[in-house]
Amino acid sequence: QITLKESGPTLVKPTQTLTLTCTFSGFSLTTGGVGVGWIRQPPGKALEWLALIYWDDDKRYSPSLKSRLTVTKDTSKKQVVLTMTNMNPVDTATYYCASYTGTTPFLYWGQGTLVTVSS
Amino acid sequence: QTVVTQEPSLTVSPGGTVTLTCASSTGAVTSGYYPNWFQQKPGQAPRALIYSTSNRHSWTPARFSGSLLGGKAALTLSGVQPEDEAEYYCLLYSGGAQVFGGGTKLTVL
Repeated sequence: QITLKESGPTLVKPTQTLTLTCTFSGFSLTTGGVGVGWIRQPPGKALEWLALIYWDDDKRYSPSLKSRLTVTKDTSKKQVVLTMTNMNPVDTATYYCASYTGTTPFLYWGQGTLVTVSS
Repeated sequence: QTVVTQEPSLTVSPGGTVTLTCASSTGAVTSGYYPNWFQQKPGQAPRALIYSTSNRHSWTPARFSGSLLGGKAALTLSGVQPEDEAEYYCLLYSGGAQVFGGGTKLTVL
């Protein structure tokens, strides 16, 4: 059974850095072709893809947010960490992590975590 | 940067058929964009429905089908059920990036 769960702060102040952790089970990030992605959804708005990290440590970022994002993995802990710098109120959203393969992107999703950016 | 466009909203009667589409600002959507479709109900995480244009996941009901139609990716629901009322998102792979569409709110009434 594949599960993913996001964790991190629910409230961050403007200009701060957000750090979110995705803890997963049921698959390995050492398996060829496997990755973990991050997606966010502002309240009442559409999904937005943020980042992707592959089993071989290759990383992909949304072009519009690339300068602010970093994604890393700890395969032994089965965790993927997303950092986003210089947070702004418009970054208020539910942040999801999801499993990824080239054939079946974002097949399994975490429950999401709501992050509010406010002073 | 690719923009993916979907119908903002559609309404269908129970038992009816409806087609949602997904267009790319870069041109015609082909299988090389690996279109995926997701369903999201209020307060829930998205659920994967269709991958690589037309392949259903094991949990996807047979009334959901994916295709390419007129230069767009399409999701057709045949014999719509009340529980199909939801937001539907397409996902395209374009220029090395994953791009979600703006979503289609499907109302069943």
